[in-house]
Amino acid sequence: NAGVTQTPKFQVLKTGQSMTLQCAQDMNHNSMYWYRQDPGMGLRLIYYSASEGTTDKGEVPNGYNVSRLNKREFSLRLESAAPSQTSVYFCASSEGVVSEKLFFGSGTQLSVL
Amino acid sequence: DQQVKQNSPSLSVQEGRISILNCDYTNSMFDYFLWYKKYPAEGPTFLISISSIKDKNEDGRFTVFLNKSAKHLSLHIVPSQPGDSAVYFCAASGEAGSYQLTFGKGTKLSVIP
Repeated sequence: NAGVTQTPKFQVLKTGQSMTLQCAQDMNHNSMYWYRQDPGMGLRLIYYSASEGTTDKGEVPNGYNVSRLNKREFSLRLESAAPSQTSVYFCASSEGVVSEKLFFGSGTQLSVL
Repeated sequence: DQQVKQNSPSLSVQEGRISILNCDYTNSMFDYFLWYKKYPAEGPTFLISISSIKDKNEDGRFTVFLNKSAKHLSLHIVPSQPGDSAVYFCAASGEAGSYQLTFGKGTKLSVIP
């Protein structure tokens, strides 16, 4: 009964390095999302995938790319990490539109030095 | 410009008493509202939601009230329990079928035994 699984849980990068955050859900959900949460801020949507084969920008997409690998998996890539990308990243999924509830992973704490 | 505002960063309540968490919004196009609860080092979990066609929704100890004319919603927890201590996020959806949620900054609730 895993739900939404994110890897890694923690990561430290140097400025300019690249990395991919992985996310998988086992609930057969159609829609998947990547959010970031900064101290004292609410969650902000980076990218989402309404269904397999589609991706769309959210509120803060700059500096990120995503891939909806299949129905289960949705990855987030930082091509050239910047200190401004230091944040906690959450992956989420839902059956359809967000008027239904989102199921979140436990988060990835990313620090860019 | 913050469209969803939770003006109280923190709230302390005695166990057994009522907790009232408030949320204001500025965008009149929002028509679906959700509350999420977040424990440290975990992802947010869905708590309760309300559509703009209703003014109240109840689920056990949790009740959400919506005042559309004031663009205000509140979450009532009765009675409050120590396990309710968490950060509570208010979120709003722009329109039916929207994939984007706008989150408030959260209110940290501490329930004192």
